[in-house]
Amino acid sequence: GAGVSQSPSNKVTEKGKDVELRCDPISGHTALYWYRQSLGQGLEFLIYFQGNSAPDKSGLPSDRFSAERTGGSVSTLTIQRTQQEDSAVYLCASSLDSSGGPWYFGPGTRLTVT
Amino acid sequence: QQPVQSPQAVILREGEDAVINCSSSKALYSVHWYRQKHGEAPVFLMILLKGGEQKGHDKISASFNEKKQQSSLYLTASQLSYSGTYFCGTYRTASKLTFGTGTRLQVTL
Repeated sequence: GAGVSQSPSNKVTEKGKDVELRCDPISGHTALYWYRQSLGQGLEFLIYFQGNSAPDKSGLPSDRFSAERTGGSVSTLTIQRTQQEDSAVYLCASSLDSSGGPWYFGPGTRLTVT
Repeated sequence: QQPVQSPQAVILREGEDAVINCSSSKALYSVHWYRQKHGEAPVFLMILLKGGEQKGHDKISASFNEKKQQSSLYLTASQLSYSGTYFCGTYRTASKLTFGTGTRLQVTL
């Protein structure tokens, strides 16, 4: 596709369940980023992948959060044992590389933990 | 540390001008600006690199003063389509962006 895609667009889950969020970056983009945005708030960094380098996981809020990127393309963010405070919009972005060029965001996944 | 944007919110009439500021306490490599409409993903506006560069995008322009660690976004003759939340994003090294606190802009008739 032409842009970054994310699925699902909406996810409602019960507290304690695990969820997987998917991101398909723009083809050829080597850098991929996950951020989250709580209601009315700014963009909080979670994790960053660049090519085959080890990911920068410094923004993951707890060990319940993990992410992987397979084949340098699709990425999956997994949240285990979800808590109500995990409710947010999870945004994925990609860029051509990590040299500082423009980022392209996906439409986000709205996660609601009940 | 998160860059601070000012003002936090502004309401304009169509045709008026606005300035949004972004200040960082750390030295910067470059600054990005994005606009996010309600319920949508942020959309890239422009990048500014070191050197006091000023760039333009339609009637939106920006400047970057690396010594002051500040960037400003200028919206001229605002249109209804300019409404949204504006975020600056700063690079200290070329890796990930740290986004500012956001400025909510509303343009009315």
